[in-house]
Amino acid sequence: GQNIDQPTEMTATEGAIVQINCTYQTSGFNGLFWYQQHAGEAPTFLSYNVLDGLEEKGRFSSFLSRSKGYSYLLLKELQMKDSASYLCAVRDDKIIFGKGTRLHILP
Amino acid sequence: DTGVSQDPRHKITKRGQNVTFRCDPISEHNRLYWYRQTLGQGPEFLTYFQNEAQLEKSRLLSDRFSAERPKGSFSTLEIQRTEQGDSAMYLCASNAGSSYEQYFGPGTRLTVT
Repeated sequence: GQNIDQPTEMTATEGAIVQINCTYQTSGFNGLFWYQQHAGEAPTFLSYNVLDGLEEKGRFSSFLSRSKGYSYLLLKELQMKDSASYLCAVRDDKIIFGKGTRLHILP
Repeated sequence: DTGVSQDPRHKITKRGQNVTFRCDPISEHNRLYWYRQTLGQGPEFLTYFQNEAQLEKSRLLSDRFSAERPKGSFSTLEIQRTEQGDSAMYLCASNAGSSYEQYFGPGTRLTVT
């Protein structure tokens, strides 16, 4: 079966660092995505990992361990605009999304 | 505008009516995807096309749903005899076959009363 797990909600403070974890069990694997989605809007692409290790892009970093079926998204220097849902998605032949993690940023 | 566009943005319909949504992908993208998203959930895969060929359709999709991409450009998603459970955001996304990044359109929000 296909299963992607991530926490439902997280809260963090402006200026801090937060790590959003994702575990997956899928029949195939051709890469893992992280998307950001603000309420009422379409998802926007953040990162893509296909090999093990850390990919850094500005304030956002994404890590993948294929052997563990595990990824995380690290957000640094949090800003209020980072309040959104963060979707973990695995690419097989199609893309399978998790339910998303709602991140609340407190001032 | 070179992004993915969807029409209409909002649709309110009565139960039992048919509705059709349109998606215009980024022009050079040969892959097109339809997703459905309900509140508090991630996007749920419905179907995808490579050029005009429909390569996969979710088992969750009933016979009331049909999608076409007749010339390998825009696509339509039709829902026949709508039910209240069809109320959701319908998202379209596209990518070039050689690229991993999907670009999403703004979505069509369907409300079935």
